[in-house]
Amino acid sequence: DIQMTQSPSSLSASVGDRVNISCRASQDISTFLSWSQQKPGKAPKLLIYSASTLETGVPSRFSGSGSGTHFSFTISSLQPEDIATYFCQQYDTVPLTFGGGTKVETK
Amino acid sequence: QEQLVQSGAEVKQPGASVKVSCKASGNSLSASYIHWVRQAPGQGFEWMGRINPNSGGTKYAQKFQGRVTITRDTSISTAYMELSGLRSDDTAVYYCARAPQWLILRVDHWGQGTLVTVSS
Repeated sequence: DIQMTQSPSSLSASVGDRVNISCRASQDISTFLSWSQQKPGKAPKLLIYSASTLETGVPSRFSGSGSGTHFSFTISSLQPEDIATYFCQQYDTVPLTFGGGTKVETK
Repeated sequence: QEQLVQSGAEVKQPGASVKVSCKASGNSLSASYIHWVRQAPGQGFEWMGRINPNSGGTKYAQKFQGRVTITRDTSISTAYMELSGLRSDDTAVYYCARAPQWLILRVDHWGQGTLVTVSS
């Protein structure tokens, strides 16, 4: 199975700050990587797929980059509604595997 | 807008089985693969398996082989996940999620989740 290692597991930032999250795959997954947002008690919401493509309707302050085994996710200017847990997921092969998540909180 | 609506919360005793349903909006089931993923309290996501609703073909995670069965009823646009031999560590929120037929592993919509509690 492909292991997905995500860091940090949590972070605290102020509104307006730039937020960066990393995700590393245990083997080459090309750009078969997505980033999703999950708020407490809610279903996950896809934000980015193919490592860097923004899902329709997702604000442009969200972005992703990377290929192969190293990926990153950025919120350019944190908004109050962005408080959530973010996770990466590889879809190169089954079993689908997920990063452990990054809980984003406000200072 | 794709929508997946799951059945309600369940409480089961150890050793029992649970069957969770996932209804897709409109005719979207035929254009999708349906995956099942679970999330135990405070834990990450764990992929359980998937079904091609058109053929009924399934693929399961090795961990759940022999205990999980994923089926579908295309006449009512609904997929099902049945897990048998329940243990306390099966307590989790179970999600269905869809991927398009042309990229069967790229999940793009999730159901609202179904909490399954295993307790005596």
